[in-house]
Amino acid sequence: EAGVAQSPRYKIIEKRQSVAFWCNPISGHATLYWYQQILGQGPKLLIQFQNNGVVDDSQLPKDRFSAERLKGVDSTLKIQPAKLEDSAVYLCASSLGRGRDTQYFGPGTRLTVL
Amino acid sequence: SQQGEEDPQALSIQEGENATMNCSYKTSINNLQWYRQNSGRGLVHLILIRSNEREKHSGRLRVTLDTSKKSSSLLITASRAADTASYFCATASYSGGGADGLTFGKGTHLIIQP
Repeated sequence: EAGVAQSPRYKIIEKRQSVAFWCNPISGHATLYWYQQILGQGPKLLIQFQNNGVVDDSQLPKDRFSAERLKGVDSTLKIQPAKLEDSAVYLCASSLGRGRDTQYFGPGTRLTVL
Repeated sequence: SQQGEEDPQALSIQEGENATMNCSYKTSINNLQWYRQNSGRGLVHLILIRSNEREKHSGRLRVTLDTSKKSSSLLITASRAADTASYFCATASYSGGGADGLTFGKGTHLIIQP
């Protein structure tokens, strides 16, 4: 079974530029999550989708971050404009359903904002 | 905000010894999960323990959960060099609307000396 796929693996941009990350969850997984992991810390949830609807985006900085999950499969996370403090690894995870299932993580995208 | 707090922050032991990591959390939970993260890589799920369980085993791993003390421990027996990694506990608390994103601690960095 293929795991969660993410691209790109690395991205370097200058502050005020925009960037987008892509995630393809495990086939059949209805729930998709985006996490931000700053160096030396544990991941922090940004947004949770159930199919193509948003379940929780309470920790998403909506003035600069946006995410969508069209057709309930792939998802993109965008930052516009980026700030220095956005430098982090962005992790995508998926699970079969809400509530009781293991979350499987992708390899992440390491973003460096200069 | 971080919910779980792992202890110790760093642990160095000899190969073959047992490693014990602890996690404390603040609010009521539905389940607690342990993940491993090798340097620069994604998170690998190790074990999930539900709030009505007290102990679970998986190979060389043993997890305990004490909901009265809001704490969990992860024991790795007969450690190997390949166990060198950061270990995170993550809690899931189901809220209205179905949000169940994980809340992670800062992790314990485990080094196994050959």
